[in-house]
Amino acid sequence: GQNIDQPTEMTATEGAIVQINCTYQTSGFNGLFWYQQHAGEAPTFLSYNVLDGLEEKGRFSSFLSRSKGYSYLLLKELQMKDSASYLCAVRGPGGSYIPTFGRGTSLIVHP
Amino acid sequence: DTEVTQTPKHLVMGMTNKKSLKCEQHMGHRAMYWYKQKAKKPPELMFVYSYEKLSINESVPSRFSPECPNSSLLNLHLHALQPEDSALYLCASSQGTVIEAFFGQGTRLTVV
Repeated sequence: GQNIDQPTEMTATEGAIVQINCTYQTSGFNGLFWYQQHAGEAPTFLSYNVLDGLEEKGRFSSFLSRSKGYSYLLLKELQMKDSASYLCAVRGPGGSYIPTFGRGTSLIVHP
Repeated sequence: DTEVTQTPKHLVMGMTNKKSLKCEQHMGHRAMYWYKQKAKKPPELMFVYSYEKLSINESVPSRFSPECPNSSLLNLHLHALQPEDSALYLCASSQGTVIEAFFGQGTRLTVV
């Protein structure tokens, strides 16, 4: 089975940096995704980590530690449009790239 | 074209109705899937089709019946639903060698 845990809600100020943590327990780890979902919209892919370390992509970075079952998503220079739900997901059944999602973290960015 | 298109966007149906949700993609993806998402909850995987064959059914009640007529289309047939089935139904697709899954905008279903 898979167990994914992330904070329910976070708030941050425009221009700041925020780190959203995710811990997971899964039988046979094959990779971890981060998706962004704005209210009423479809999830959109942000990042994928399969090896330990930091992957940087513009204002967003994702980190993975397989030994600790831990990942984080780092958002820099926060903008109001970054207010959304951030979903941590592990690679799905049968090793497919189908994401199995955690409960998501609702990020509120205020001026 | 990197879109997954779902129709209808909104659907209200009675508990005795039969309706279908449709999903279409033209990216050549061979894996397509249905998720169900309740308010303030993450998407939950329902079904996976791989090369037009049902490969995963996550213990979904038989009142939900998926169908994959061809490699571009995925349907979800609904019959005798319950009010608790009201949710956002998301379709997604991916290619085995590509990490990113593409999601449609979803169908907002209300069962009355």
